[in-house]
Amino acid sequence: SQQGEEDPQALSIQEGENATMNCSYKTSINNLQWYRQNSGRGLVHLILIRSNEREKHSGRLRVTLDTSKKSSSLLITASRAADTASYFCATDPGGNNRLAFGKGNQVVVIP
Amino acid sequence: EPEVTQTPSHQVTQMGQEVILRCVPISNHLYFYWYRQILGQKVEFLVSFYNNEISEKSEIFDDQFSVERPDGSNFTLKIRSTKLEDSAMYFCASSMDYAGPYEQYFGPGTRLTVT
Repeated sequence: SQQGEEDPQALSIQEGENATMNCSYKTSINNLQWYRQNSGRGLVHLILIRSNEREKHSGRLRVTLDTSKKSSSLLITASRAADTASYFCATDPGGNNRLAFGKGNQVVVIP
Repeated sequence: EPEVTQTPSHQVTQMGQEVILRCVPISNHLYFYWYRQILGQKVEFLVSFYNNEISEKSEIFDDQFSVERPDGSNFTLKIRSTKLEDSAMYFCASSMDYAGPYEQYFGPGTRLTVT
């Protein structure tokens, strides 16, 4: 089964705008993590939200988690050109740190 | 800030050859992982490692793959006889704990090209 399945969007926004992307999953989770990947580079951990949390902030990032809908969203406020990247959500469905990644959302921020 | 490092950044090998990909996890982390990402596809879990033994492995991680922590700092992934379909970006990751917080921190990856 596909875990951490993002909405397959490619977002193109102007610098300063907000970017929102979504992720849905199928089974129960202990936590959900968001990662960023710049083209051809490694995965950078952005934020982890536990299953008993509904919202979490980190700088310009806001993550929400709705376990009843099995979905999460990542909001980047006041986007910058440097935010151009692919964003992945990853779940840990077995509670064993075996992350299951989605396909990723590509975000392009136009200066 | 501590980070996971990987060497080499790019490895080209011929089909059937053995390759060893190297990683240095963050020094106080206890759990180590390998993932791979075939071009244009999802990042896939390969294996997790704790206390000098494999904790979990995926169906991808067959007998051609092995992992080792040969000393106190390195963590290696060996592919015994590479196939064309092993061409991918291989990421090493580490985490401090199992029970939490368990953010996994990834290295920059090794791009493996099998010809």
